[in-house]
Amino acid sequence: KNEVEQSPQNLTAQEGEFITINCSYSVGISALHWLQQHPGGGIVSLFMLSSGKKKHGRLIATINIQEKHSSLHITASHPRDSAVYICAVRVIQGAQKLVFGQGTRLTINP
Amino acid sequence: DTEVTQTPKHLVMGMTNKKSLKCEQHMGHRAMYWYKQKAKKPPELMFVYSYEKLSINESVPSRFSPECPNSSLLNLHLHALQPEDSALYLCASSLFPGSSSYNEQFFGPGTRLTVL
Repeated sequence: KNEVEQSPQNLTAQEGEFITINCSYSVGISALHWLQQHPGGGIVSLFMLSSGKKKHGRLIATINIQEKHSSLHITASHPRDSAVYICAVRVIQGAQKLVFGQGTRLTINP
Repeated sequence: DTEVTQTPKHLVMGMTNKKSLKCEQHMGHRAMYWYKQKAKKPPELMFVYSYEKLSINESVPSRFSPECPNSSLLNLHLHALQPEDSALYLCASSLFPGSSSYNEQFFGPGTRLTVL
């Protein structure tokens, strides 16, 4: 079992829909990252969380440390949101290493 | 300047060639990272430099040779690569090494490498 599990693996939705991507982890962490990667492209850091909730534009990220779970929400989704969304955790015992989830491939149709 | 830059964007090389990938940041970050990413897979950590010293080598074959000439620059020297080494190579940096919850990693756009 991977230390970081994301669901769903693939998600297709219509423009305007509310999107939720989930991330569960099984290790003690100091921070959790949500990353975005467009096809063939580099990685953009969307959020880094250690508690609570963060909002940036149409994106909202939440984390529940007790339940070891985080969610990424996209409101009023748009085709340009189509990308792979990756959850990565900084393990307390892991110093400089990030442990990555397998990613969620999101496709928003017009 | 809040970005990590990587050159070249694309590289095609033969198995006998020697080439280098370059990564640069001017954010004053003291930790820099090389990742390898195969298609439809998450990135895999290769190397970590902390204060210009190699601190983590994830058992990477010696045909990959990292170098950190100064705090802003990270190179990855390539020699005698195999076709299975074809991948997206990502560089990242963070303010400090270590597991601080404030220690966000910033990623570059990557170099797409094809080994023929």
